[in-house]
Amino acid sequence: SQQGEEDPQALSIQEGENATMNCSYKTSINNLQWYRQNSGRGLVHLILIRSNEREKHSGRLRVTLDTSKKSSSLLITASRAADTASYFCATVFITGANSKLTFGKGITLSVRP
Amino acid sequence: NAGVMQNPRHLVRRRGQEARLRCSPMKGHSHVYWYRQLPEEGLKFMVYLQKENIIDESGMPKERFSAEFPKEGPSILRIQQVVRGDSAAYFCASSPPNKGTTEAFFGQGTRLTVV
Repeated sequence: SQQGEEDPQALSIQEGENATMNCSYKTSINNLQWYRQNSGRGLVHLILIRSNEREKHSGRLRVTLDTSKKSSSLLITASRAADTASYFCATVFITGANSKLTFGKGITLSVRP
Repeated sequence: NAGVMQNPRHLVRRRGQEARLRCSPMKGHSHVYWYRQLPEEGLKFMVYLQKENIIDESGMPKERFSAEFPKEGPSILRIQQVVRGDSAAYFCASSPPNKGTTEAFFGQGTRLTVV
């Protein structure tokens, strides 16, 4: 079953504004990752946060993880038109040799110039 | 080091034919994942393989679908007797052998159209 559930499903903002996207999941995880997909292309990894971490930064990206609430958020600051894409959270739960990556349905972000 | 290579990029098959999708992982990567994506939807997990082993195939239909990742050569996702509902984008991802603690690298996908 799908592990991550992102919200909102779609987000439209003005260039320069911040974009906040949320992800909730159901079971224990070892880490949570955020990916980006431009239309018709493969996914590109953005950032990984481990279950023992609470916050991580990478450039204009800030990810938080609250394992007690089983939720994560991705913040993109000072958005640009080029940030327009779909964003997916993915969870990893490692059991033995199995460390599969399970994705949510994604959030469509539109940044208006 | 080339990225994950998938071929073909586009594949058209008539109902009842077989579709073979290939994925060459990044050099040194021993884990391969296959996902299916329908238009405007997320990625649905199909199968997770390591060299010569299927680790998790819980997302793959029991009939008509099979996957392999041999010791030598690319991973193959095979769909027999395709139906219109198999039309989708199929993505392959690979990761190094460190038990899911790093990112997965995705190919550009194979878009399968069944006519």
